[in-house]
Amino acid sequence: DAGITQSPRHKVTETGTPVTLRCHQTENHRYMYWYRQDPGHGLRLIHYSYGVKDTDKGEVSDGYSVSRSKTEDFLLTLESATSSQTSVYFCAISESLGLAGLRGGSSTDTQYFGPGTRLTVL
Amino acid sequence: AQSVTQLDSQVPVFEEAPVELRCNYSSSVSVYLFWYVQYPNQGLQLLLKYLSGSTLVKGINGFEAEFNKSQTSFHLRKPSVHISDTAEYFCAVSPSGAGSYQLTFGKGTKLSVIP
Repeated sequence: DAGITQSPRHKVTETGTPVTLRCHQTENHRYMYWYRQDPGHGLRLIHYSYGVKDTDKGEVSDGYSVSRSKTEDFLLTLESATSSQTSVYFCAISESLGLAGLRGGSSTDTQYFGPGTRLTVL
Repeated sequence: AQSVTQLDSQVPVFEEAPVELRCNYSSSVSVYLFWYVQYPNQGLQLLLKYLSGSTLVKGINGFEAEFNKSQTSFHLRKPSVHISDTAEYFCAVSPSGAGSYQLTFGKGTKLSVIP
C-alpha cells in the first residue's frame, strides 16, 4: 500500500468555522490531489499539486484553498465551512511516467488514495 | 475534457455467477483507463489499468477489463464473483498526453453479491 495518511479521519464542525485537512505521503511522489466524494457524484477533483508551491484548481474548487510547502504534505483548507461541504475527502498521489517526468513533462500514471476524512458541517 | 458514464448504479448478482460492470467514456484525445474498487468505509484501491498495448487487461482479485476504442468502452468482468467482491466500483479516465494530471471518475457502480 502507498504510504498515505490523512488527518483527521473524522471531524464535525459548525458552519462558518475554518477547517484544515492534512494529507501526508512517504512515497516522495510529485503529484498530490484532493477529491471529495458524494453519493451519486463519484469523486470530483478539488485541487491538485504538481510540486512544492505549485498548485492548480480542479472541477469543484470554490470555497477551498490548498498549500504545499513540503513534498510530503498537502493541506486542504475550508476558510469558512458550509453544510454543502459535508463530504468524504480523499487525498491521492501519483508520480510522473519515466521520460516524460525527466523532461519536466506532466504525464501521470496511477493515482493511489488515502483512507479518507469524513467531514460533517452542522 | 473527458467524461465517464457508468451505465448501472447498482448490480445485484448471485455468488459464483459472472458479472460485467459497464463503463463508457468520452474524450477528444487518447486516454488511460482505470478501474478502482472501494470497500465500505475504505479508500479507493486500484483494480487494473490500461495505458497501452494489449486491450485485455487483467487485474487483481480475478477481474479483467477490455478496452474497446471504437466503442469507447472499458467494461469490467469477472467470471465468478464471491461475497467479498461486494463493493463500489469506479471507472476513471485520464488523458494520456502531457498535462494529463487529472482523473475523471464515473459515478460508481455498487456490486452486491447475493449468497
